[in-house]
Amino acid sequence: AQSVSQHNHHVILSEAASLELGCNYSYGGTVNLFWYVQYPGQHLQLLLKYFSGDPLVKGIKGFEAEFIKSKFSFNLRKPSVQWSDTAEYFCAVKGLTGANNLFFGTGTRLTVIP
Amino acid sequence: EAGVAQSPRYKIIEKRQSVAFWCNPISGHATLYWYQQILGQGPKLLIQFQNNGVVDDSQLPKDRFSAERLKGVDSTLKIQPAKLEDSAVYLCASSLEGGGYYEQYFGPGTRLTVT
Repeated sequence: AQSVSQHNHHVILSEAASLELGCNYSYGGTVNLFWYVQYPGQHLQLLLKYFSGDPLVKGIKGFEAEFIKSKFSFNLRKPSVQWSDTAEYFCAVKGLTGANNLFFGTGTRLTVIP
Repeated sequence: EAGVAQSPRYKIIEKRQSVAFWCNPISGHATLYWYQQILGQGPKLLIQFQNNGVVDDSQLPKDRFSAERLKGVDSTLKIQPAKLEDSAVYLCASSLEGGGYYEQYFGPGTRLTVT
């Protein structure tokens, strides 16, 4: 069965600090990988996605993520966070064979202190 | 373009009552999803429609939950009777098609509290 693990439940950073949020998935086949963000009071929106090709993908607002197939990981990074990055971040995986619905991790709450 | 619309935004009911949620997807999107997000967890897929047909409802508690998308556009999700553990945010999402390469767009959700 597919599963997604996000080990950081709540991360607190000061502005300008670097960010890395961990995401590991369990799935035996080819996958598409996603990071979604939910800003306070807003709905879930796509931050970035990986389908194939360059394992380093860039998303909106300066975020990037690296797919490491051997580690089943898809960690999210940002070199310098801003107060406006305060949000909940969800990693998700979608298998391309069998049940291809989207599986979400439990989310990581990021609080950026000005 | 207009996003995914959901109503109501909030609902409080007592256990054993029934409740219904409505979703209007983005125009032209063939695939519609209902997710349940319990506090502290990520969204979990309940049911996926392709046009007006069900693609996946394996996680839907069919003894109390039902969903329909009769004309392939709007959808309703119903819970009858509700239990305390149904307290959650119910998210609707839509995508152009249902394959793994299509982005899902989420609505604002309906927050259900069962007392």
